[in-house]
Parts: sequence; C-alpha cells; structure tokens
Amino acid sequence: GESVGLHLPTLSVQEGDNSIINCAYSNSASDYFIWYKQESGKGPQFIIDIRSNMDKRQGQRVTVLLNKTVKHLSLQIAATQPGDSAVYFCAEKLAGGYNKLIFGAGTRLAVHP
Amino acid sequence: DTAVSQTPKYLVTQMGNDKSIKCEQNLGHDTMYWYKQDSKKFLKIMFSYNNKELIINETVPNRFSPKSPDKAHLNLHINSLELGDSAVYFCASSQEAGRGLVRTEAFFGQGTRLTVV
Repeated sequence: GESVGLHLPTLSVQEGDNSIINCAYSNSASDYFIWYKQESGKGPQFIIDIRSNMDKRQGQRVTVLLNKTVKHLSLQIAATQPGDSAVYFCAEKLAGGYNKLIFGAGTRLAVHP
Repeated sequence: DTAVSQTPKYLVTQMGNDKSIKCEQNLGHDTMYWYKQDSKKFLKIMFSYNNKELIINETVPNRFSPKSPDKAHLNLHINSLELGDSAVYFCASSQEAGRGLVRTEAFFGQGTRLTVV
C-alpha cells in the first residue's frame, strides 16, 4: 500500500506485505533527509538517512528513495511486521548552517495480522 | 544507558504556573534541541544549542527560555503557562555536521507530556 504523509493519514497493510510511505519535502536546498519511526509514548527513532547526492539507500528491510526533481522521498518497508506499526516522519535538513531538521506531517502505519 | 533522558515524563500544572523540563545526553554530542509535538503529531523545532551557545531560536513566545549549563544538558523553563502550551516536548541531540562524521541525525528523548489545566 502507499500513502502521502499529509494530516497524519493512516496506511493499513497486511502483515507480510510491503509498505510504501511517501513524503513531499519543501526545500530544494535540503541536502540530508531522514526517516524516523515514532511508537506510541516514545520519541522519534532513527530508521534510515540519505544524502542529496544519492537517490537510493537500503537498510535492513527498509529502502529510502529520493527524487530531487519533484522533491519526493519515500520509505519502503519489506515484509511489514506488527512491530512496524508506528507513526513515520520524514525530515529534511537545509544545506549549510546548523543541523535543524524540518519534519513532515507524519504517516501512521497500521499492520494487521 | 539512556542516550537522551528528559524529566519529568509527565507534567500536569495549572495555568499561570512556571515549570521546567530537564534534559541530559550522554552521547558526547555538541548540539541539543527542543522540539514541540502538538496533538496532531506535528513536530516543530523550538531551540537549538551548540556547545552551550543558542544557534536556533524559532518563533517561540519569550515565556519559553532554554538554558544550557554545559553541552550535555539543555533545560527548558516555561513561565506563565497557558492552555495552548499543552503538548509533548522532546529533547534531542546530534553531532554538528562538518566534524568528519557521516551521520548527523538527531537522537530523541522519550518526551515530556505537558498538560496545562
């Protein structure tokens, strides 16, 4: 399933399916992007990052794709598990300056058995 | 060991009171932040300190005053609390980019849920 991260929408998937969470970022000058996972009652937790000189990066079960032309970022989760249920945020950092992260609105991922 | 710890986890207080939230990080990072998360889960940066120096100060009422006694601590003091201050406040830390490190992601604490009644 796919979702655009506006106004905290919910993406519902079946356990074992692949999930795709999308994010439109705002600044073409951003040079660093991060996906965070936030479980209920906890702080955001780093999942994967990507720099603007790349268009794809893979981690364990997760892949981030960056399309700078349309300022779009996506997070793909393979073989989604119940433990993946959380709110997912993309964040961007402007080139230069200090490490100020600008967060997207978040997408809730609900994994059903 | 908790990397970024903030206290208290929950804070319920009346309008008009003054309260503080404390944050400590043991990661050796040189930059610390305060973020506010509203009821719609939107996360917005409030302040950032680099080596005890204020470097980011977003449009935040001056009732909010951060204080960094050393680079491992960043506290947030809030005067004359208002109902609209109710939110979850997150402390975070990172190593500033340009120090030869690849990752510059921020590590977050567990949050302080502030409820103003």
